Amino acid sequence: AQKVTQAQTEISVVEKEDVTLDCVYETRDTTYYLFWYKQPPSGELVFLIRRNSFDEQNEISGRYSWNFQKSTSSFNFTITASQVVDSAVYFCALSRIDSNYQLIWGAGTKLIIKP
Amino acid sequence: EPEVTQTPSHQVTQMGQEVILRCVPISNHLYFYWYRQILGQKVEFLVSFYNNEISEKSEIFDDQFSVERPDGSNFTLKIRSTKLEDSAMYFCASSETDRGDEKLFFGSGTQLSVL
Repeated sequence: AQKVTQAQTEISVVEKEDVTLDCVYETRDTTYYLFWYKQPPSGELVFLIRRNSFDEQNEISGRYSWNFQKSTSSFNFTITASQVVDSAVYFCALSRIDSNYQLIWGAGTKLIIKP
Repeated sequence: EPEVTQTPSHQVTQMGQEVILRCVPISNHLYFYWYRQILGQKVEFLVSFYNNEISEKSEIFDDQFSVERPDGSNFTLKIRSTKLEDSAMYFCASSETDRGDEKLFFGSGTQLSVL
């Protein structure tokens, strides 16, 4: 069965601190996609990243970085020098390689950045 | 970047009433989807739609739900007789194809409150 676990329900940090959001997944597929989405207080789902299971290279985009480790089935997300605007719920998700819409979602981590 | 738009952003209705949630997918997209997120819970897949018919639906999508593409631009989700447990955020999404590497574009959601 496929499953995504985000064990951190809520994280609260002070602005400018670094913060890592954990994501652990389970799948029997050998190839798959992993995603991170951001849901700000306004409610929309904002796509952040998609990672193919073939590609274990870490990725950096500005203050955001992602650490994909197939050996531990983890796809963690780090925000460096956090800002108040980063406050949101962050979802990790998993999909089969042949379907872009059958996403298995984690429960989300609510990130609160205090000024 | 092109957007998926959803109207209304909030909808309040009485139990037993019919509601129609509207979505305008991105114009060159052919695949359309509805998801829902009950407050504090995971995002759940409801239905996928292609070529004017449902291609896949989840267990949640029972006979009370229907989808339609009434014209060349709108994609609607109808709930025939709303129940309290239908209260949720409903997200529309679209994509050009349903290939695994195709990006999903989400709308900003309609918050449905059933009283």
